[in-house]
Amino acid sequence: ETGVTQSPTHLIKTRGQQVTLRCSSQSGHNTVSWYQQALGQGPQFIFQYYREEENGRGNFPPRFSGLQFPNYSSELNVNALELDDSALYLCASSLVGGAGELFFGEGSRLTVL
Amino acid sequence: GNSVTQMEGPVTLSEEAFLTINCTYTATGYPSLFWYVQYPGEGLQLLLKATKADDKGSNKGFEATYRKETTSFHLEKGSVQVSDSAVYFCALTANFGNEKLTFGTGTRLTIIP
Repeated sequence: ETGVTQSPTHLIKTRGQQVTLRCSSQSGHNTVSWYQQALGQGPQFIFQYYREEENGRGNFPPRFSGLQFPNYSSELNVNALELDDSALYLCASSLVGGAGELFFGEGSRLTVL
Repeated sequence: GNSVTQMEGPVTLSEEAFLTINCTYTATGYPSLFWYVQYPGEGLQLLLKATKADDKGSNKGFEATYRKETTSFHLEKGSVQVSDSAVYFCALTANFGNEKLTFGTGTRLTIIP
C-alpha cells in the first residue's frame, strides 16, 4: 500500500508568479484535501475534491484552485502569488465517510520572494 | 464556526515524565475529535481519535477522553520517551462526508534523556 506523495518538496517563486503542486493519493482513497500550514501554525483547510469535483472549500480566495484526476491524483494551483502564500502545503487522502482519518503527505514547502 | 484551542508550547520534559497537552474546542453539533502528530521530517499522522462523548482514544501509550461537558480532549501519557518528541495537533471534524479538519496551532514536545 503506497502512501501519499507530494512534489516538489521545496520550491521558490517570486510575487505574481503561478505555482502548481502535485499529489498522489494513497491507494484506494477517493478523496483528496489540501491544507496550508504557515510556520508555527496548524494546517488550514483549503479545499477537498471527491470524484473530480470540489467538495468543500475553506476561506481561501479563488486564485487557489485545484484538480482531481480519474486516478485520484491531484493538483493545487495558486495564481498571482503573494508573500503570505509562503507555507507548507499538505495533501491528504481519505475515503468518504472515513470519519476524519486523513493520510498526509510530507508537504511541499513554498517560499515566495 | 468551529475552533480548537491548544496548550501553547514548546513543552520540554524529562524521559519518563507524565505528559498532558490541553485541548478545548468549540463546535456545533457532535464533532469527532483527533490528535495528529508530526514527527521530524515526516508527514502528519493520526495518533488517536474519539467520535462521541465519553469515548477514550488510545494509541502508543497516549490517551485522550472526549469530554462534552467541558468541551475538552486533553492528551496524556504516563511515561514519555525521547521518541515522542514531535509536534502534536488537536483537531476536530463536524462534517461527515466532508472530512474538513479544523486544527489547533500545535504543541512542540521535546523529551530530554
